[in-house]
Amino acid sequence: DIQMTQSPSFLSASVGDRVTITCQASQDISNSLNWYQQKPGKAPKALIFDVSNLETGVPSRFSGSGSGTHFTLTISSLQPEDFATYYCQQYDNLPRATFGPGTKVDLK
Amino acid sequence: EVHLAESGGGLVQPGGSLRLSCAASGFSFSKYAMTWVRQTLGQGLEWVSSIGGSGGTTYYADSVKGRFAISRDNPKNTLYLQMNSLRAEDTAVYFCAKDIGENTVTMFESWGQGTLVTVSS
Repeated sequence: DIQMTQSPSFLSASVGDRVTITCQASQDISNSLNWYQQKPGKAPKALIFDVSNLETGVPSRFSGSGSGTHFTLTISSLQPEDFATYYCQQYDNLPRATFGPGTKVDLK
Repeated sequence: EVHLAESGGGLVQPGGSLRLSCAASGFSFSKYAMTWVRQTLGQGLEWVSSIGGSGGTTYYADSVKGRFAISRDNPKNTLYLQMNSLRAEDTAVYFCAKDIGENTVTMFESWGQGTLVTVSS
């Protein structure tokens, strides 16, 4: 099974900061990597699919990059509504999906 | 606008059964794969099961294979998850989600609000 890890687990930042979250897969997953945002008590929200494609309505301050086993989610200028937990998710051809453990972005 | 609404959660004893439903609206239901994802309280997300748009293909996580069954009623725009032989570790909020594709597992672009399943004696 493919395992996903994320770093850091927690991140304290201020409004306006550039934030980068890393996601690593235990084996090559090509570009089969998505990102979600979740706020407390709410369902996850899709942000980015296939590494770098923004979902409709997602602000351009969000971007994704990477390939193979190493991926990043970047928020270029953190806004108050961006404080949340972020999850990466891989999908394979079995098919199955695996989520990373999450990165909580908190106010410094 | 896509709308997904789960129901059927509740308290059940270990070994018991429960059926979750997810009512869908705002899109051509039969043209998209659907998925159940669960989240233990305060913890991360776990993919549980997916079903193709026609209902002819189903996929399960190893942790639920043989105990859970996913199905769909396309004329009723409803997704189901039959959960049998429930264990304490199945306690979680269960979300239904719409995939971006028709027949496999890729990205979950729309989610319901979730329904809580508690397995306890």
